[in-house]
Amino acid sequence: AQKITQTQPGMFVQEKEAVTLDCTYDTSDQSYGLFWYKQPSSGEMIFLIYQGSYDEQNATEGRYSLNFQKARKSANLVISASQLGDSAMYFCAMREERSFQKLVFGTGTRLLVSP
Amino acid sequence: DAGITQSPRHKVTETGTPVTLRCHQTENHRYMYWYRQDPGHGLRLIHYSYGVKDTDKGEVSDGYSVSRSKTEDFLLTLESATSSQTSVYFCAISEGQGGYTGELFFGEGSRLTVL
Repeated sequence: AQKITQTQPGMFVQEKEAVTLDCTYDTSDQSYGLFWYKQPSSGEMIFLIYQGSYDEQNATEGRYSLNFQKARKSANLVISASQLGDSAMYFCAMREERSFQKLVFGTGTRLLVSP
Repeated sequence: DAGITQSPRHKVTETGTPVTLRCHQTENHRYMYWYRQDPGHGLRLIHYSYGVKDTDKGEVSDGYSVSRSKTEDFLLTLESATSSQTSVYFCAISEGQGGYTGELFFGEGSRLTVL
């Protein structure tokens, strides 16, 4: 069973607008962590934001925020005020308590920011 | 930036030949991982290590072996490369200490082409 699902293969947004990238997950663990990574065309993997399952508030890091809805098992990434440099692949990932530090990744969403 | 070096960065080889990819870290992190990235699949875990000489399989371990004789080095070996192993391979490290988020830091990737 797919543990991390990213249903949007590609997304388009205009510069300065906000965009939401969807991520749903599946786990029976009570303790888990959710991550978002960015992969620009240069290929490196850049950590963006983390949300713990017990964190009551949504995580924020600058223009990035994670819309965590535990009951729905969703962990959407919100990018505010998009910039051209935000054009990249974005991956959602999960670490389960029982999985010994392993991260499971989704298939990714390609975001294109237009001027 | 985390001190992670992968070598070689690019390699072209023929079916049936052995290939070894090297990951070297200068961070003294306990956990090391090998992922492969393929279009439509995101990143998938091949093998990981939780200490010197302590390794375990990931979800796509068939055809791969690993070794970790020193904290800083994690080798991925394809004993007899096949075309299905054409991919981009990422090494990652994780600190694994209490109170941390469990984020992975990635190397720059190694592009392997098996003809």
